[in-house]
Amino acid sequence: GAGVSQSPSNKVTEKGKDVELRCDPISGHTALYWYRQSLGQGLEFLIYFQGNSAPDKSGLPSDRFSAERTGGSVSTLTIQRTQQEDSAVYLCASSRTSGSKSYEQYFGPGTRLTVT
Amino acid sequence: AQSVSQHNHHVILSEAASLELGCNYSYGGTVNLFWYVQYPGQHLQLLLKYFSGDPLVKGIKGFEAEFIKSKFSFNLRKPSVQWSDTAEYFCAVEGTYKYIFGTGTRLKVLA
Repeated sequence: GAGVSQSPSNKVTEKGKDVELRCDPISGHTALYWYRQSLGQGLEFLIYFQGNSAPDKSGLPSDRFSAERTGGSVSTLTIQRTQQEDSAVYLCASSRTSGSKSYEQYFGPGTRLTVT
Repeated sequence: AQSVSQHNHHVILSEAASLELGCNYSYGGTVNLFWYVQYPGQHLQLLLKYFSGDPLVKGIKGFEAEFIKSKFSFNLRKPSVQWSDTAEYFCAVEGTYKYIFGTGTRLKVLA
């Protein structure tokens, strides 16, 4: 089946503008994660969705960042009033879960965000 | 606090050399352990995983990792690297859904 898809693949925006990044997880995967990957910084956890539970937003760096997941499938990460330090690759991953057990994550290709 | 440490940030090896990448974690409960790899221009993908059972796990492309619970370690090994192993390698720990990734190790294999 299809893997995790993300759009757009690249986004260049001016400082102060809002951006929306989209993630389509693998069908049937109940868990969805957003990460930020900056050069030399590894993967920074942003937010986690699991089924109908309240999302874990503990990784969001500021209140300019928000995310939602509609119908337990597609997710949108929104960054308001973008800053240059928001420039990074934003990765989405999904995984299946069973009870309290989680399985390996499948990653999308990422969205490269450049704030000028 | 939960954390994952990868001690080697950049590694350069010649083909046929042996590889060991260190990974140590700090977590107070039961964990699942993973190594992911990102080849140049490609997605992050799973290399191998440990959930339970035999602490020596084998993954794709001849990689293996050993979970040593007493040392909180999950080191990645390969007896003989190839040029095609040039990539960035990430160790990850999952405890109750939350994943923590290490900062990654960039491996360059010289032909």
